[in-house]
Amino acid sequence: EIVLTQSPATLSLSPGERATLSCRASQSVSRSLAWYQQRPGQAPRLLIYCASYRPTGIPARFSGSGSGTDFTLTISSLEPEDSAVYYCQQRSNWRYTFGQGTKLEIK
Amino acid sequence: QITVKESGPTLVKPTQTLTLTCTFSGFSLSTSGVGVGWIRQPPGKALEWLALIYWDGDKRYSPSLKNRLSITKDTSKNQVVLTVTNMDPVDTATYYCAHRQRYNLFTSDDAFDIWGQGTMVTVSS
Repeated sequence: EIVLTQSPATLSLSPGERATLSCRASQSVSRSLAWYQQRPGQAPRLLIYCASYRPTGIPARFSGSGSGTDFTLTISSLEPEDSAVYYCQQRSNWRYTFGQGTKLEIK
Repeated sequence: QITVKESGPTLVKPTQTLTLTCTFSGFSLSTSGVGVGWIRQPPGKALEWLALIYWDGDKRYSPSLKNRLSITKDTSKNQVVLTVTNMDPVDTATYYCAHRQRYNLFTSDDAFDIWGQGTMVTVSS
């Protein structure tokens, strides 16, 4: 089973700053990686699929990059509503796994 | 507009079987590439994928829970049912169903693009 390790566990930044979240896979997942945002008390929301593509309606300040084992979610200019837990997720051999999450706090 | 919604008991006793239903609209589970998955989240913890059923009837399960899970679909009712046997207090969690969207026909790259609100299940005697 592929393990996804996210870092840092917690990130505290101010509005307008840039956030960089990392996700590392225990073996290559090519570009089969997605990112989700989960605000308190809400269901997860898809932010990025196939490592770098944004679904319709996701703000352009969210971007994804990477391939193989190392992936990054970047939020270019933080807004107060970006306070949430962010999860990466992969599919390999028709099995899915999630990372343990990065909690982003907006000061 | 795609929507999915979970339903089922909020409380089950240890050793009992949990049956959850995902009722969806806005898509057909007989359309190529479509799938419905179940994911759970214990209080304060991370997401955990459980199972997924594809349009062609193929089923996939989490290796760690495979022996306890069963996923089925009723295309005519637009429903997917997940059963979890031998429930334990550690299975206390919010259970989500989600629509699986395939983005690449050749690589089958996909993601869970639409989620239900989740249903909280507590396991306690």
